[in-house]
Amino acid sequence: GQQLNQSPQSMFIQEGEDVSMNCTSSSIFNTWLWYKQDPGEGPVLLIALYKAGELTSNGRLTAQFGITRKDSFLNISASIPSDVGIYFCAGRSNSGNTPLVFGKGTRLSVIA
Amino acid sequence: EAEVAQSPRYKITEKSQAVAFWCDPISGHATLYWYRQILGQGPELLVQFQDESVVDDSQLPKDRFSAERLKGVDSTLKIQPAELGDSAMYLCASSLGGIEYFGPGTRLTVT
Repeated sequence: GQQLNQSPQSMFIQEGEDVSMNCTSSSIFNTWLWYKQDPGEGPVLLIALYKAGELTSNGRLTAQFGITRKDSFLNISASIPSDVGIYFCAGRSNSGNTPLVFGKGTRLSVIA
Repeated sequence: EAEVAQSPRYKITEKSQAVAFWCDPISGHATLYWYRQILGQGPELLVQFQDESVVDDSQLPKDRFSAERLKGVDSTLKIQPAELGDSAMYLCASSLGGIEYFGPGTRLTVT
């Protein structure tokens, strides 16, 4: 089946630093989504991307849909302690409601 | 803001026992998913419903897992008998317009 490679697996950064993480696929996706999951909770949607090359921001978060349609990037600027959590990329290769394929997550730790 | 509801939030059960999880999707969302998430991994699909019909249950271990959505609204996922390897977070999600919204999950521990 389809797999997503998400990197890095974990990051330790200082408060105020910028963060970058990415996700690559072996096949073309039509939709990329980025979620954040806090311990013991379900994933919460951060950003949704629908077109190759699309760049979308949500506050300090910016995500891009790669031109090849096989990758996506998430950047967090000026990190704060509440950014701590696990960030998941998810993609869908078909239109409609076919299930998402998830990466294994990037665990972000912010040192105050 | 509408949310996906799940209960219970936590469940501890002994192996070979039966266990059931409940999900109430966001009102108006016809598509409902059950995912299983093992610690340190991303969610993996178990079953997808469109209204009351199963669309995809290819990854559901049907010898012990069952899922239903009788009236096309809320859904129940059952495991019987539970095994040690079933310990995981069980997530329900509903979707509209291709966006999946997740509930808080049920953390299952099988002892």
